[in-house]
Amino acid sequence: QQPVQSPQAVILREGEDAVINCSSSKALYSVHWYRQKHGEAPVFLMILLKGGEQKGHEKISASFNEKKQQSSLYLTASQLSYSGTYFCGTQGPGGAQKLVFGQGTRLTINP
Amino acid sequence: SAVISQKPSRDICQRGTSLTIQCQVDSQVTMMFWYRQQPGQSLTLIATANQGSEATYESGFVIDKFPISRPNLTFSTLTVSNMSPEDSSIYLCSGWTGPNEQFFGPGTRLTVL
Repeated sequence: QQPVQSPQAVILREGEDAVINCSSSKALYSVHWYRQKHGEAPVFLMILLKGGEQKGHEKISASFNEKKQQSSLYLTASQLSYSGTYFCGTQGPGGAQKLVFGQGTRLTINP
Repeated sequence: SAVISQKPSRDICQRGTSLTIQCQVDSQVTMMFWYRQQPGQSLTLIATANQGSEATYESGFVIDKFPISRPNLTFSTLTVSNMSPEDSSIYLCSGWTGPNEQFFGPGTRLTVL
């Protein structure tokens, strides 16, 4: 079942912070975060594993609440290069190596 | 990480024809997948390409329409058969390089007239 992302879109000024949420109705083994720019492939940002939290980039971090089956992606002091569509991909129990992606959150950073 | 390439990058095809998309990874990967993405939409998994055996298809996708091959650990093909305009989409190949990272190819943009 597809995870739900919120918000669907957000517009920021450079330097502002953003939070993108990802919720699942099913128990999760992991949550993967990707960023996709227009016309390009999704780029892997980080993974949050059950039982742990992993920070992938300096100003981009994420959390994973296993009990609530939710993950949040935090972008601090946003840069113009952060613009794009962010997808969370969820991996179910048992760790079967396939992901179900949320509908995406479009992030626009203005100067 | 891995570098994944796809051919062709884009194509325009006539209704009723078939197109085979190739996916090449620069290193061995444990799993390979095929996704479809409508412009502005999310990624939908079509199937898992299994090396040396039949692909595992997701609900709504069938082998007759999307035959997949994976002859080795670095290469896979997806064929879109008997195409209709509804098949117009971006088709992406991905590889699971392990232990926990999945990388995507640049995609093939297909337009069916």
